[in-house]
Amino acid sequence: AQKVTQAQTEISVVEKEDVTLDCVYETRDTTYYLFWYKQPPSGELVFLIRRNSFDEQNEISGRYSWNFQKSTSSFNFTITASQVVDSAVYFCAPSRGNAGKSTFGDGTTLTVKP
Amino acid sequence: KAGVTQTPRYLIKTRGQQVTLSCSPISGHRSVSWYQQTPGQGLQFLFEYFSETQRNKGNFPGRFSGRQFSNSRSEMNVSTLELGDSALYLCASSFPPIRAGAGNEQFFGPGTRLTVL
Repeated sequence: AQKVTQAQTEISVVEKEDVTLDCVYETRDTTYYLFWYKQPPSGELVFLIRRNSFDEQNEISGRYSWNFQKSTSSFNFTITASQVVDSAVYFCAPSRGNAGKSTFGDGTTLTVKP
Repeated sequence: KAGVTQTPRYLIKTRGQQVTLSCSPISGHRSVSWYQQTPGQGLQFLFEYFSETQRNKGNFPGRFSGRQFSNSRSEMNVSTLELGDSALYLCASSFPPIRAGAGNEQFFGPGTRLTVL
């Protein structure tokens, strides 16, 4: 059985602070895909990043970076220099190779205050 | 390129009625998935269709059903509505993976907000 945990229910930061969102995905699968989605107040989920389980190289894209460690099953997502528009619910969504069936975590509500 | 569209955006029904929701995927996307989002249960997978065939199904009762047409548009139907069916229903589409088992990201529509009275 797989289990995805986003332990942080709510995070509040002040604009320009860095913030890291945690996700732990426990699975016996050796190959899987990890996605992060953002759901702003408007309600529409927006794809942010994707990682493959067989590639542990950490990456940076603009203000976003992610740290994947297979040994600890953690897939953390960092926003650098947060902005008010980053306020949203962030979901970690692992997939066992079929992106059409993703298991979503409970989400972390990020509030960025001006 | 147009995004995923869902109709209607809002719907109010009463218990016992049935409802049909529609989803048009992004052009070229052949996989369409449906999710239910509620404050208590979060985002839960309903089912996925690919090339007019249901490929995966979540843990929902048989009152929830769906189908996909040859143009990849999809509909989901909920019969005998219950109060607990009140939720945001999200449709997502994705491009077929280059190889089996490869994961491609999903693109979500704005959702249909269903209220059951």
